[in-house]
Amino acid sequence: LAKTTQPISMDSYEGQEVNITCSHNNIATNDYITWYQQFPSQGPRFIIQGYKTKVTNEVASLFIPADRKSSTLSLPRVSLSDTAVYYCLVGETSGTYKYIFGTGTRLKVLA
Amino acid sequence: DTGVSQDPRHKITKRGQNVTFRCDPISEHNRLYWYRQTLGQGPEFLTYFQNEAQLEKSRLLSDRFSAERPKGSFSTLEIQRTEQGDSAMYLCASSEGRGLSYEQYFGPGTRLTVT
Repeated sequence: LAKTTQPISMDSYEGQEVNITCSHNNIATNDYITWYQQFPSQGPRFIIQGYKTKVTNEVASLFIPADRKSSTLSLPRVSLSDTAVYYCLVGETSGTYKYIFGTGTRLKVLA
Repeated sequence: DTGVSQDPRHKITKRGQNVTFRCDPISEHNRLYWYRQTLGQGPEFLTYFQNEAQLEKSRLLSDRFSAERPKGSFSTLEIQRTEQGDSAMYLCASSEGRGLSYEQYFGPGTRLTVT
């Protein structure tokens, strides 16, 4: 069962690139890596998902090394509105549901 | 708005009472999930439906908890004889569930306070 660990918190300034790393040493062959953003009193919002190498969408990039034991969410040019908690989620749903959220990384963007 | 909706958004109840929450997923999604989230923690998986079939239940889901999805559309989560430890945000999510890769869309949650 994959377990995820993340830094508890990070601070950044507006306009900077932010990289949040998630460690998942027990990732299984079929496991996907997904990142979510959550604001207070709201449900998590999907950011990006990947299986290996690099994935990029309009809001973020996800870097996954060859061994897949970690992943890095990259947020380019953060703004104050990116202040939120970011969760890494590892698992798969073929058969037994095994998705487990980590405790999350609280990102604070400063002006 | 065609996102996942949950009702009610907030519920305050006295210990020992029963409560029921409703989740309406995105219409074409056949998978539906329930999570519980306490302050400062990530969401914890409770249970999961593929259409109307409940395929997985977490050990967190004690016998006081029951979930249904009778027609493969909306779902209800009932907590009987509530305890103060049940106070949490209850999140519902849905996904298309095709293949191994999927994207879960979450609702706004129902915040339960047990006094």
